[in-house]
Amino acid sequence: DAGVTQSPTHLIKTRGQQVTLRCSPKSGHDTVSWYQQALGQGPQFIFQYYEEEERQRGNFPDRFSGHQFPNYSSELNVNALLLGDSALYLCASSLLSGQETQYFGPGTRLLVL
Amino acid sequence: GQNIDQPTEMTATEGAIVQINCTYQTSGFNGLFWYQQHAGEAPTFLSYNVLDGLEEKGRFSSFLSRSKGYSYLLLKELQMKDSASYLCAVRPNQAGTALIFGKGTTLSVSS
Repeated sequence: DAGVTQSPTHLIKTRGQQVTLRCSPKSGHDTVSWYQQALGQGPQFIFQYYEEEERQRGNFPDRFSGHQFPNYSSELNVNALLLGDSALYLCASSLLSGQETQYFGPGTRLLVL
Repeated sequence: GQNIDQPTEMTATEGAIVQINCTYQTSGFNGLFWYQQHAGEAPTFLSYNVLDGLEEKGRFSSFLSRSKGYSYLLLKELQMKDSASYLCAVRPNQAGTALIFGKGTTLSVSS
């Protein structure tokens, strides 16, 4: 049973560019949440997708957008990259109806130069 | 606002017991979670409390007091591999919704 997978593992971009990160949830899960974790900080919630729609959103600008596909996988897009967007981007999957926790993928480390 | 506080750093020696505290103030409460995160890796789930009291799972235990907005993670018989960041997270809304994380406590275990 595969856990949460993310790609790519590492990425280097320059300011102003756009980036797309990908996530496949744990088998049986229907909800995907994205978090940004800056160095030395806890993860910060970006948004959550369920049934291909954005269900909940944290305090992030519109430059951050996402998508969920019919197979429950998800993408995170960031436009007009800033130096401050450099972070570990974590995807977490869960069952919307369950009380259980979210399970995290290995993350994508993004460096913006 | 939403606020979760935990100590930044703690140190302990192998074989000892350490308690990591977490206090929270959130708009709602529907569960508190503890995660372990080794450097450069994803957080891994350790424990979950939604009712007051102690939950024990091997060398790890977690306690919750909802009236005090307080939790702790207790690690017994510390091992070097327990050196990691420990994240306290609260789910303020209904099941399936986002978690709010503290900044994490970096635990260093020495021999």
